[in-house]
Amino acid sequence: DAGVIQSPRHEVTEMGQEVTLRCKPISGHNSLFWYRQTMMRGLELLIYFNNNVPIDDSGMPEDRFSAKMPNASFSTLKIQPSEPRDSAVYFCASTSGLSEAFFGQGTRLTVV
Amino acid sequence: AQSVTQLDSQVPVFEEAPVELRCNYSSSVSVYLFWYVQYPNQGLQLLLKYLSGSTLVKGINGFEAEFNKSQTSFHLRKPSVHISDTAEYFCAVSDQGAQKLVFGQGTRLTINP
Repeated sequence: DAGVIQSPRHEVTEMGQEVTLRCKPISGHNSLFWYRQTMMRGLELLIYFNNNVPIDDSGMPEDRFSAKMPNASFSTLKIQPSEPRDSAVYFCASTSGLSEAFFGQGTRLTVV
Repeated sequence: AQSVTQLDSQVPVFEEAPVELRCNYSSSVSVYLFWYVQYPNQGLQLLLKYLSGSTLVKGINGFEAEFNKSQTSFHLRKPSVHISDTAEYFCAVSDQGAQKLVFGQGTRLTINP
């Protein structure tokens, strides 16, 4: 398996634009997590899915953020409209629940 | 709900010296515990994990950690560090049932020659 795949690796966008981050989890994993990493706040859990269903979205900062998992092999995190304070590295991770979570390489988002 | 506290935000040590990175957690239920490492501009990779069984866990790159249930700790140790160990280290806990994975704030380990 190629591991957790995130795209794009880097994204630069202007304030107010819509941004969509994509994640393909490891095949057979039934849980998927979205994290945001910044210098100030460290690694924050935004939302996680189990069997494609959102279980806990209490970490989603505000209504501008939304996440979907339409099937077991794909998830998106959308920010609309984007703001400079959304600049961060966004990680996706997946797990089978029996062991550790595996992380993607992350998407570095810069909102100017 | 689970939470994780990493007591040191930065730890500088000399090459070949021993190191301990501290981690305490809180949870009302049984947990799984993990240490992850993040090298610059990369994702997180697993160093070691405690799921059950022996409380002393050995991981990659010569690291080990000990689960202490009474002290709710899972400290990471290495007897002799190398320059290549320079990275950020994250302790994490998950509820065995819910699978929610929560991370500490991270400890930046810097190895000086």
